[in-house]
Amino acid sequence: GAVVSQHPSRVICKSGTSVKIECRSLDFQATTMFWYRQFPKQSLMLMATSNEGSKATYEQGVEKDKFLINHASLTLSTLTVTSAHPEDSSFYICSARGRDPYEQYFGPGTRLTVT
Amino acid sequence: GNSVTQMEGPVTLSEEAFLTINCTYTATGYPSLFWYVQYPGEGLQLLLKATKADDKGSNKGFEATYRKETTSFHLEKGSVQVSDSAVYFCALSGTTGGKLIFGQGTTLQVKP
Repeated sequence: GAVVSQHPSRVICKSGTSVKIECRSLDFQATTMFWYRQFPKQSLMLMATSNEGSKATYEQGVEKDKFLINHASLTLSTLTVTSAHPEDSSFYICSARGRDPYEQYFGPGTRLTVT
Repeated sequence: GNSVTQMEGPVTLSEEAFLTINCTYTATGYPSLFWYVQYPGEGLQLLLKATKADDKGSNKGFEATYRKETTSFHLEKGSVQVSDSAVYFCALSGTTGGKLIFGQGTTLQVKP
């Protein structure tokens, strides 16, 4: 089946620094990738939709200058949390859409802790 | 706007018990409906889907029927196993290939 990886799985950073999270589709090409955020015991909230070669589309309330998304190839999208603060601590999950428009393949997530 | 509401968990069952996890939705038009499952330490996986009213999605013994009249998509399984212990998410997409809107997730614990 289609596999999506994320790296790193866990990261701890200091307040004010930037952190980059990678999302890769390992065995298929993904023209569209999605970035979600999940708070403890809560649902996944879509942050942005990333299309290869174009600017990401951000959901209302998501700061695009704080959460930089780059989708430079058909197998890689990155999320950079800039000037991170403790309130950015969360579980970030990416997904990638393959040929079937109904199916998204999810990565295992990245736990970000900002101290 | 579109939204999904799931029954709160955790749901604790004994092995071979019958499972129902309720899911209702609010949406304009004719959304597609999904159930995703997240096993411990893994990413979400699509369990089943239904793309139009009265469709029944099924996989691994799980079933859910798209009921437009009651705006529901309840997940059922006749006999759960310990290996079914996971978090289950109901979701909808308002357009084909569009973004997913998730319910809050329901944790299922199955005891031997």
